[in-house]
Amino acid sequence: DTGVSQDPRHKITKRGQNVTFRCDPISEHNRLYWYRQTLGQGPEFLTYFQNEAQLEKSRLLSNRFSAERPKGSFSTLEIQRTEQGDSAMYLCASSFDGPGETQYFGPGTRLLVL
Amino acid sequence: GEDVEQSLFLSVREGDSSVINCTYTDSSSTYLYWYKQEPGAGLQLLTYIFSNMDMKQDQRLTVLLNKKDKHLSLRIADTQTGDSAIYFCAAYWEGGKLIFGQGTELSVKP
Repeated sequence: DTGVSQDPRHKITKRGQNVTFRCDPISEHNRLYWYRQTLGQGPEFLTYFQNEAQLEKSRLLSNRFSAERPKGSFSTLEIQRTEQGDSAMYLCASSFDGPGETQYFGPGTRLLVL
Repeated sequence: GEDVEQSLFLSVREGDSSVINCTYTDSSSTYLYWYKQEPGAGLQLLTYIFSNMDMKQDQRLTVLLNKKDKHLSLRIADTQTGDSAIYFCAAYWEGGKLIFGQGTELSVKP
């Protein structure tokens, strides 16, 4: 396994457009996490899945954001009606289930909203 | 909730030791992590420590944990220019999410 992959690596869009990002976790991992990182800050938790179930969503995740993991493998994060404040790096991580299980991060998708 | 704080910058000379510090607020965090991020890249796990440990050593990396003061440090021995990056401290929190500090930018001068 080559690790967590994310697609696309970069996305430039105009304000008001919808965007969708994909994350492919490490294949044996049943937990998948999404984080957002703005310039000069550490990553902030958005949401996570255990298999196909979305177990927690941060208050940062407004109703314009939706995430899915339909078959418990890859996940998508969609942002509707993008705003300039959505510009950030979106990071995906995966892990085994269990307390303290190490989260392995993908390379991220950098979003720029013009 | 948990809050994690780090100093923002550290500059060292090649060959010196670097010490990056982190404080956290909630003693119930059971695992504490150090990640490294190079420009434009994702996060690379460096090491972690469980809360019942005081120290962990892994090659050039030494992690020290002072639970009483809620203080974590990462020491990098014989720092190289390739160690220049941003280093994040993270605490394991409820449900498995990680709470990150703002990151410490390490600059290694030759």
